Formats: sequence, structure tokens, C-alpha cells
Amino acid sequence: KAGVTQTPRYLIKTRGQQVTLSCSPISGHRSVSWYQQTPGQGLQFLFEYFSETQRNKGNFPGRFSGRQFSNSRSEMNVSTLELGDSALYLCASSVLGGLTEAFFGQGTRLTVV
Amino acid sequence: GQQLNQSPQSMFIQEGEDVSMNCTSSSIFNTWLWYKQDPGEGPVLLIALYKAGELTSNGRLTAQFGITRKDSFLNISASIPSDVGIYFCAGQLYTEGGSEKLVFGKGTKLTVNP
Repeated sequence: KAGVTQTPRYLIKTRGQQVTLSCSPISGHRSVSWYQQTPGQGLQFLFEYFSETQRNKGNFPGRFSGRQFSNSRSEMNVSTLELGDSALYLCASSVLGGLTEAFFGQGTRLTVV
Repeated sequence: GQQLNQSPQSMFIQEGEDVSMNCTSSSIFNTWLWYKQDPGEGPVLLIALYKAGELTSNGRLTAQFGITRKDSFLNISASIPSDVGIYFCAGQLYTEGGSEKLVFGKGTKLTVNP
């Protein structure tokens, strides 16, 4: 059974641009959650999607948004990139939702220059 | 907001030694989780604790959910080189509005010398 797949693995963007990251959950999993990991702030929860609806949201500005498609694949978008958005972005999927039973992908390393 | 204080930040031990790390908070959590993250990988769930006072083992790993629901510890016995990595605690709770939150500690970096 394939794990959580995130694409791309690495990305370099310029300040002010926008970026879209993709996450394909484990087959049969309906919930996808997103996290930001930085050396300074650690792992922080961004949001969770279940059956195409945002179900939970962390404390991030509106520049961070996401969506989920009918096949449970999810995308995360960050607009007007700032240097501080450089981070490892992780997504996790679970069968029925909830943040405690989720499996993580390898992440997308975003560098903003 | 909720914060988790995880200690120690790093540990350097000899193979075969036991390891102990813990997380404390001023907030009450419903669930405590312990993860391990290897370089270039996402976190992997090691142990989940759902009940205050619960003591759970997974091989050489043992974790406990504190009675006050504000703390948890993880022990690793007889460490081996593949235990190297960063260990994270996480606490789960529901806000007043009913939203679920997962709060992470800053991690404990474990180095095992063969």
C-alpha cells in the first residue's frame, strides 16, 4: 500500500510569488491535514480537510489556504510568499479524520529567496 | 495559546543506555502522542495515549499519560544506533468552538554512540 505522497519534494520560490503544494493520501483515507515545520517554531498545524471540507484550522494568516478534491487529494496554496515561509510542509492522512491517527508524508521543502 | 515544553532538547548516549524524555504543559490534553522523525522523512507515530494515567509500551519504548493530563514521558530502554533521530511529543485537544488542535513539542534530538 503506497504511503502519503507529497509533490514536489523541493521547491525554491521568490518573495512575493505564490506556491501550490500537492498531497496524495493513502488509498482509502478521507482526511488530509497540513503542517509547517521550521527550526524556530517547530511543527505547527495548518488545517485539516475531510470530504472536501475544511474541518479544523490552525493559527495561520489567510495567505495559507487549501482545498481537497473528490478523490481526497489535497493542495495547499501560499500566496505572497515571505522569507519566513521557508519551511518543510508536511501533510498527513487518516481514514476517518482526526489528527491523532494520521500518517505523515515526507514533506515538501520550500525555500523562499 | 497552548504550548508544550519538551526536554531535554538533545541527548548524547552510549548504545545500551536507557533514555528518558518528557513533555509538560499548563494546558490539559485529551490525547498524548509520541513521534520519531528521521532526516528527510515525516514524523512516524510511535505511541498514542488516550487516558490519564495510561502506561503503554511498544517494544523497547514505554510512554505514560500523566494523571493531571498536562504531561507525558517517553522511555527508550537499551538504546541502539537506529534510535537516532528527533522525538516529538504532541498533545491533542478540542477548543471551546469544537475544533480539534494538535500541539507539538520542539523535539528531543537523540544521538547514540555505538
